[in-house]
Amino acid sequence: EPEVTQTPSHQVTQMGQEVILRCVPISNHLYFYWYRQILGQKVEFLVSFYNNEISEKSEIFDDQFSVERPDGSNFTLKIRSTKLEDSAMYFCASSEALPGIPAYEQYFGPGTRLTVT
Amino acid sequence: QQPVQSPQAVILREGEDAVINCSSSKALYSVHWYRQKHGEAPVFLMILLKGGEQKGHEKISASFNEKKQQSSLYLTASQLSYSGTYFCGTAQEANFGNEKLTFGTGTRLTIIP
Repeated sequence: EPEVTQTPSHQVTQMGQEVILRCVPISNHLYFYWYRQILGQKVEFLVSFYNNEISEKSEIFDDQFSVERPDGSNFTLKIRSTKLEDSAMYFCASSEALPGIPAYEQYFGPGTRLTVT
Repeated sequence: QQPVQSPQAVILREGEDAVINCSSSKALYSVHWYRQKHGEAPVFLMILLKGGEQKGHEKISASFNEKKQQSSLYLTASQLSYSGTYFCGTAQEANFGNEKLTFGTGTRLTIIP
């Protein structure tokens, strides 16, 4: 069964450093998302991406964050200068889209645990 | 504003039933239910759409009351594998794939033998 994959599974970085989290969405999916989950809390939407541009973003997704689809398979989240409060599990998700279907399930990857020290 | 889930936590013996509620202060178009086991990614259970029917998946089903802006997830004859945290994710519009989901705070379900 197709699945979303993410690398690395765990990333430790120092405050102020840049990190890039990588995701490979399911191949025929057209919408891509990043979410984050601070330990013990709910899942929070960061950004959605379609047709090589951002569709929606939350207030969390400030200028320190960027997303990119550098090739036909990868989808990346970059945090330019990490802060302690960026420590969280980051999930990538993808969904397909067919004409006339108003809502789709999102398939989540296993996540990248980011620890900022 | 995030949807409110109740209860926050519930402990059941295997074979018992549970109901998890998800309420929003805003009108909803769709409600998405996910289950997350500790240390794992959320796993999709089902979507309910405005105007749609109650959905079922083996012993897990859900309903969506548009007027009350509420969805309920029903787990019957619970199994040990049902343990986990259940999240509802809500969307206010039909986004045709571009769902910006707002997740609730979760309901932790523990099934004991």
